[in-house]
Amino acid sequence: NAGVTQTPKFRILKIGQSMTLQCTQDMNHNYMYWYRQDPGMGLKLIYYSVGAGITDKGEVPNGYNVSRSTTEDFPLRLELAAPSQTSVYFCASSYSPGQGFDSPLHFGNGTRLTVT
Amino acid sequence: GQQVMQIPQYQHVQEGEDFTTYCNSSTTLSNIQWYKQRPGGHPVFLIQLVKSGEVKKQKRLTFQFGEAKKNSSLHITATQTTDVGTYFCAGHQGAQKLVFGQGTRLTINP
Repeated sequence: NAGVTQTPKFRILKIGQSMTLQCTQDMNHNYMYWYRQDPGMGLKLIYYSVGAGITDKGEVPNGYNVSRSTTEDFPLRLELAAPSQTSVYFCASSYSPGQGFDSPLHFGNGTRLTVT
Repeated sequence: GQQVMQIPQYQHVQEGEDFTTYCNSSTTLSNIQWYKQRPGGHPVFLIQLVKSGEVKKQKRLTFQFGEAKKNSSLHITATQTTDVGTYFCAGHQGAQKLVFGQGTRLTINP
């Protein structure tokens, strides 16, 4: 199993450009998450999904959009990139037997995004 | 909203010294998880604590969950250079959103 795969690994965007960060997992996890990590800081939840067709906002959703058309894929869309979105983005997934809120997260390797 | 605070933010030790990081929540947690992130890497799950007063050990690492389920600690005995990284605690208040602390960055002088 590859686990959680994120692409690209690095990206530089100009202000106002758009892009999609890709995330796919092959563990049949129904919970998926997007976090951002600013330098020297913790992880802030952007959006999460509890299953295909269901998404919800996290702590810092402004400027981002997500979709979950399949169990495997959870892309994150930046429509109008701003310098404040310079960060490292991590996708994660978890299994959920029952309520599953306490399942450990499996993280991808991250996407390092710079907006200039 | 729920906040999870970690202290210290940074810790530098000599190899062989002990290390402890503390995690405090503003609300009662249903469980707490600990993750380790190596420099340039991604967070990796270490352990989960669920019960009040629970203590778990993984070799030189000891994890504790407070009696009131509002605080937790990670203690590393006799640090080694492989312990370098940032340690995060993360807590659920019973909802799907796992809230992470800011992390404690551990550096070690060999």
